[in-house]
Amino acid sequence: EIVLTQSPATLSLSPGERATLSCRASQGVSSYLAWYQQKPGQAPRLLIYDASNRATGIPARFSGSGSGTDFTLSISRLEPEDFAVYYCQQRSNWPLTFGGGTKVEIK
Amino acid sequence: EVQLLESGGGLVQPGGSLRLSCAASGFTFSSYSMSWVRQAPGKGLEWVSFINSNGGTTYFADSVKGRFTISRDNSKSTLYLQMTSLRVEDTAVYYCAKGATWPPHFDYWGQGTLLTVSS
Repeated sequence: EIVLTQSPATLSLSPGERATLSCRASQGVSSYLAWYQQKPGQAPRLLIYDASNRATGIPARFSGSGSGTDFTLSISRLEPEDFAVYYCQQRSNWPLTFGGGTKVEIK
Repeated sequence: EVQLLESGGGLVQPGGSLRLSCAASGFTFSSYSMSWVRQAPGKGLEWVSFINSNGGTTYFADSVKGRFTISRDNSKSTLYLQMTSLRVEDTAVYYCAKGATWPPHFDYWGQGTLLTVSS
């Protein structure tokens, strides 16, 4: 099973700042990595797929990069609605796995 | 508009059984794989099970293998998860999710249904 480790667990930032979230895989997943955003009481929402492709309707301030074992989700300037928990997910191998999440909170 | 509506959650005793349903609309259900993903209270996401578009291929997480069965009725645009031998650790919100690729990432999710396993 591929283990995805997300860091940091919590990121405290102010609106307007840049957020950089990391996801590291225990073995290479090529570019088969997705990022999701989840707000309290809501279902996850797809942000990025295949490492760097924005999903439909996702603002350009969200970007993804990386391949192999190291991936990054960047939010260029945090908007109030961006404070949430973010998860990565790999689809390279079965079982599909998610990272433990990074909470982006208001500083 | 894609919609996924889960139902069937509730309170079940350990060792009991329950069937979850997910009614899909707004897309050609029979053309896409589907999965169940769960989230224990205050915890992260865990993929549970996958079924391909025609129901001929299924996969399960080790934590539920042999206890859960996934199926679909394409004529009704509905996905199912039959759960047996339920354990306290199965307590979670269960989401159905539409697969966008093979193997899948998930482009649409339902709002979830809560299963509580407790005596």
